[in-house]
Amino acid sequence: NAGVIQTPRHKVTGKGQEATLWCEPISGHSAVFWYRQTIVQGLEFLTYFRNQAPIDDSGMPKERFSAQMPNQSHSTLKIQSTQPQDSAVYLCASSLETGGYEQYFGPGTRLTVL
Amino acid sequence: GDQVEQSPSALSLHEGTGSALRCNFTTTMRAVQWFRKNSRGSLINLFYLASGTKENGRLKSAFDSKERYSTLHIRDAQLEDSGTYFCAADRTGGYKVVFGSGTRLLVSP
Repeated sequence: NAGVIQTPRHKVTGKGQEATLWCEPISGHSAVFWYRQTIVQGLEFLTYFRNQAPIDDSGMPKERFSAQMPNQSHSTLKIQSTQPQDSAVYLCASSLETGGYEQYFGPGTRLTVL
Repeated sequence: GDQVEQSPSALSLHEGTGSALRCNFTTTMRAVQWFRKNSRGSLINLFYLASGTKENGRLKSAFDSKERYSTLHIRDAQLEDSGTYFCAADRTGGYKVVFGSGTRLLVSP
């Protein structure tokens, strides 16, 4: 079990460019979560998929951010027209969802927008 | 909003000693998780509790939903226990975990 895999580990983009972050959940986990971590805000919930279906995207900025889960083995978080304030560590987590939501986190992708 | 107050923010221990980390919650939480961030920055799952206590080796955790707190006890600390520990909790019926600010533990010889 390799755990939750996130790629790339580091990404640097120029202002206005697009960034796509990838997450591979633990095999068999039905729930996938995306979070954003900054020093100022701490860890913020972005969005949640269950069995690939979007369940709650209440934490997603309404513009420029989108997340998909085209199959059970990966999810993507796409940020269009990146801005310096998007710089953060983006964490993906997955969970079995049986008996609770014990979440297993990936190592994160550190996004730096210049 | 929901808040998790974690203390202490930093802790220094000598090898072989022990101490406790604590998270207080401002609202009723359904479950709590404890993590340790490893040298590569990954969060390692230590405990998941919906109630009561759990023990794993030199670590023991307790969660009291009614009293709104959780603790992580470390005994016989070893050098490799150094790192940053986080608690995270989710509200009753919810799944959006809220993290504490972390405790940076340094174990020295």
